[in-house]
Amino acid sequence: DIQMTQSPSSLSASVGDRVTITCQASQDISNYLNWYQQKPGKAPKLLIYDASNLETGVPSRFSGSGSGTDFTFTISSLQPEDIATYYCQQYDNLLIFTFGPGTKVDIK
Amino acid sequence: EVQLVQSGAEVKKPGESLKISCKGSGYSFTSYWIGWVRQMPGKGLEWMGIIYPGDSDTRYSPSFQGQVTISADKSISTAYLQWSSLKASDTAMYYCARLLDYVPYYFDYWGQGTLVTVSS
Repeated sequence: DIQMTQSPSSLSASVGDRVTITCQASQDISNYLNWYQQKPGKAPKLLIYDASNLETGVPSRFSGSGSGTDFTFTISSLQPEDIATYYCQQYDNLLIFTFGPGTKVDIK
Repeated sequence: EVQLVQSGAEVKKPGESLKISCKGSGYSFTSYWIGWVRQMPGKGLEWMGIIYPGDSDTRYSPSFQGQVTISADKSISTAYLQWSSLKASDTAMYYCARLLDYVPYYFDYWGQGTLVTVSS
């Protein structure tokens, strides 16, 4: 089974700060990596698919990069509405999915 | 408009059975997978399994294989998640989500969630 790790597990930043979250897979997953945002009490929302593709309608301050085992998710300028937990999620050709443990983002 | 509408909150006792539902609308229900995701209180997201309503092809996470059953009735555009004997540890929010039938595979639309509480 592929294991996913994320760091940090939580962070606190100021409005306007650049925020970076990393996600690591236990083996090469190519670019089969998605990022979701979950606000408190809400269902998750897709932000980035296949490592670096922005979902339609998602603000351009969100971006993703990476391939293989190491991935990065960035918010270029943190906004108050970005308070949420962010999850990476990998998939494979057998349609097996694994979520990372999540990173909780707060405003300082 | 694509929508996934889940059944309401449930309160059950250990040992009881339960079937929760997820009704899709606004798209061709038989052309996309439906997945189920568990979120235990205060915890992260866990993928449970998926079903392709077009032919009922079903895949389970090894962690949930044998613990739950995923099914679908394409005639009413509804997917189901069921338990034969609930445990207190099944207490969680359960989400359904739509999955494309081709790469890239991602969950693009989500239901509102069904809260299941199992307590004696």
